[in-house]
Amino acid sequence: DTAVSQTPKYLVTQMGNDKSIKCEQNLGHDTMYWYKQDSKKFLKIMFSYNNKELIINETVPNRFSPKSPDKAHLNLHINSLELGDSAVYFCASSQENLAKNIQYFGAGTRLSVL
Amino acid sequence: AQTVTQSQPEMSVQEAETVTLSCTYDTSESDYYLFWYKQPPSRQMILVIRQEAYKQQNATENRFSVNFQKAAKSFSLKISDSQLGDAAMYFCAYRRREKNNDMRFGAGTRLTVKP
Repeated sequence: DTAVSQTPKYLVTQMGNDKSIKCEQNLGHDTMYWYKQDSKKFLKIMFSYNNKELIINETVPNRFSPKSPDKAHLNLHINSLELGDSAVYFCASSQENLAKNIQYFGAGTRLSVL
Repeated sequence: AQTVTQSQPEMSVQEAETVTLSCTYDTSESDYYLFWYKQPPSRQMILVIRQEAYKQQNATENRFSVNFQKAAKSFSLKISDSQLGDAAMYFCAYRRREKNNDMRFGAGTRLTVKP
């Protein structure tokens, strides 16, 4: 019944590896997002994506790439992981053009790069 | 640029008492949304309350209410009758009405509830 689900919940990996985090929403929303929350709890948007366009925050390194196989999924792929990538990553979704237009978040994925 | 400032890194309240969390924001826009999200230890980001800038009436959700002062660009959250389950990080967030992809969050306030 979870509205926005992310897997895995925890991810521990070595520097230089490539990893993916999956996100699925069952709310029928048309827009999905990825956020990064660093150790100081700052939450910053990385990407937003709907069937029309992908918008990338200019500060996001091109080692990060979102991949959307369909409207309900937006996976985050990270190449050549670096120590600074350690953070909690949140997926979220919303429906554009709805009066409420609220973003619903997943439970987060804690990524630790060793 | 729009920024969101939460000036209280930590706050503490006695159970059953009332606490107010502060938030100010900077924008040149007139039409936008403001949000308070709660992040308990489980890490889930949970929407607490939402305010539309064009509405003068302060939003209320049960024990949670806001004091929205548009001219002052202030958006504080009041939690009445605090419960132990209210303990969490609280994030204030701003988004332009037309820019769904540009939600800005404050640094958060950690709320502790004492029994």
